[in-house]
Amino acid sequence: GAVVSQHPSWVICKSGTSVKIECRSLDFQATTMFWYRQFPKQSLMLMATSNEGSKATYEQGVEKDKFLINHASLTLSTLTVTSAHPEDSSFYICSARRGGSGRRHFGPGTRLTVT
Amino acid sequence: ELKVEQNPLFLSMQEGKNYTIYCNYSTTSDRLYWYRQDPGKSLESLFVLLSNGAVKQEGRLMASLDTKARLSTLHITAAVHDLSATYFCAVDRTGNQFYFGTGTSLTVIP
Repeated sequence: GAVVSQHPSWVICKSGTSVKIECRSLDFQATTMFWYRQFPKQSLMLMATSNEGSKATYEQGVEKDKFLINHASLTLSTLTVTSAHPEDSSFYICSARRGGSGRRHFGPGTRLTVT
Repeated sequence: ELKVEQNPLFLSMQEGKNYTIYCNYSTTSDRLYWYRQDPGKSLESLFVLLSNGAVKQEGRLMASLDTKARLSTLHITAAVHDLSATYFCAVDRTGNQFYFGTGTSLTVIP
């Protein structure tokens, strides 16, 4: 159990366009979802935390107007990269948690390449 | 802010040898996790350590936790090529505080 999916698994988009990444908890209800970004050969950096039905909390240095997060239901959170630029190219990983102290379950990641 | 540092960052070892990866963190934690990441893939959960003195083993990997020293170790016994990957520790604190270590890239050489 505790499966988290992401869609798409990889995406290539042109500079200036927007791209949406979905994160779904398939067999549990996730009260909290987390979005991470990972550049090559680096660790995972938390971008934002979202609770179902409320606004996301962004980490320092993450532009909330550029990285739009919506957590509309207990099984779905979306990350929209608006006006993407090549420097946004990265591996984006979501994580979902059941309850306030439950373990985090990670999605398979989405590879974004902006040309 | 909680800092989580791993040592070494890069490790190249021969098959059959033993080695230890260290994870130091700067403040108290509730849980300590170890993950494995293969190139281009997401994280695979290896261990979760909940209390001081906790030790867990799975195959050739053994993880331990010393909360007083704020140190966790991941010991590799008789390494094999399949263990080549990047290993992350992560510290979980109350609430939404969850911090990844810097990562250790392990290459096992035949």
